Amino acid sequence: AQRVTQPEKLLSVFKGAPVELKCNYSYSGSPELFWYVQYSRQRLQLLLRHISRESIKGFTADLNKGETSFHLKKPFAQEEDSAMYYCALSGAGQNFVFGPGTRLSVLP
Amino acid sequence: DAGITQSPRHKVTETGTPVTLRCHQTENHRYMYWYRQDPGHGLRLIHYSYGVKDTDKGEVSDGYSVSRSKTEDFLLTLESATSSQTSVYFCAISEAGRTYEQYFGPGTRLTVT
Repeated sequence: AQRVTQPEKLLSVFKGAPVELKCNYSYSGSPELFWYVQYSRQRLQLLLRHISRESIKGFTADLNKGETSFHLKKPFAQEEDSAMYYCALSGAGQNFVFGPGTRLSVLP
Repeated sequence: DAGITQSPRHKVTETGTPVTLRCHQTENHRYMYWYRQDPGHGLRLIHYSYGVKDTDKGEVSDGYSVSRSKTEDFLLTLESATSSQTSVYFCAISEAGRTYEQYFGPGTRLTVT
């Protein structure tokens, strides 16, 4: 079965501090992992995917198959990063599984 | 925002009544999805469609049915609404070959009293 966990419901950091949003998954095959973000009054949107190995808005995420993790990191948080972040997994077929989400609050 | 609209945006209904939510897209994307969003659960897939008249169940399909008679419309029906179906419902679309990138609608807030 596919499962995604995000242990923190809320994460508060000060502006300029590093931030790490944790994501762990369980899946028996080779998954694709993603981070989606929902800013206030905006629609949920794709932030990044592990295959592309790119940095978006200063965020990066590395897939660690040994630890079955896909943590989202940014070295210096900005106030505009405040949002709801969802980790998601895509396995076989079209079944997309989202984690419960972490609300990031960046304090001034 | 991708051309996805949902109607209605808000609805209050009574237990036992049928409810239909509509998702409409202007992107001609092949795949369409219905999710529900609940605190502590994130988004959970209800049903999805991979073409006209082609649909499949998701993680939480019990109590829901869907139909897709046209590429642009994907309907979600609660045959007999229950209080446990109070939620925010999101529609999403994606292109064939890029199903990882889903574009979401604005959501429908449904309250079942």
